[in-house]
Amino acid sequence: GNSVTQMEGPVTLSEEAFLTINCTYTATGYPSLFWYVQYPGEGLQLLLKATKADDKGSNKGFEATYRKETTSFHLEKGSVQVSDSAVYFCALVGGSGNTGKLIFGQGTTLQVKP
Amino acid sequence: GAGVSQSPSNKVTEKGKDVELRCDPISGHTALYWYRQSLGQGLEFLIYFQGNSAPDKSGLPSDRFSAERTGGSVSTLTIQRTQQEDSAVYLCASSASGRARETQYFGPGTRLLVL
Repeated sequence: GNSVTQMEGPVTLSEEAFLTINCTYTATGYPSLFWYVQYPGEGLQLLLKATKADDKGSNKGFEATYRKETTSFHLEKGSVQVSDSAVYFCALVGGSGNTGKLIFGQGTTLQVKP
Repeated sequence: GAGVSQSPSNKVTEKGKDVELRCDPISGHTALYWYRQSLGQGLEFLIYFQGNSAPDKSGLPSDRFSAERTGGSVSTLTIQRTQQEDSAVYLCASSASGRARETQYFGPGTRLLVL
């Protein structure tokens, strides 16, 4: 079945460091890919998405490119801030046989220190 | 504008009791999803509604779990005879129809603790 694998956390960075959180997926068909973010004490928020191969999703300085050849959707940010500390979830929806439910990775906790 | 709302925000109950969790989706959104977020299992899909019908219930963990949706709007997730392993955050999400169905908007969740 469809699945998403994220890099293990927690990830601890200093402010202004470069961030990469790896995400790979397994799916038949052509899924759409998402990154969601969960700030402490809050619900899930959509961060960015990409719906087809080679699309780049971007928001708030974060970017991720849909790479079908490597089945990846890695999240990057050039300069993180303390306020980016949160849990990040990679997810997919669609592909063959999917009824629209999101399939999530395990989440990666990011802690940014001043 | 109003987002997805859920109630209660927190619920503490005793093992064996029944609980009802409520979700109010974004107005006009025809698709509604329930997920569960727990420490050991991460984020798991429970059930999907399109209108008042539930074409995908594959994530409900046991027959103690049920859900309904009325008027194509509010949904209630009911857990009967709660167990300690039911303790988790229950998240509701809604989305529009067509291709926009893929983008789901989440509520703040209901944190359930079963003692």
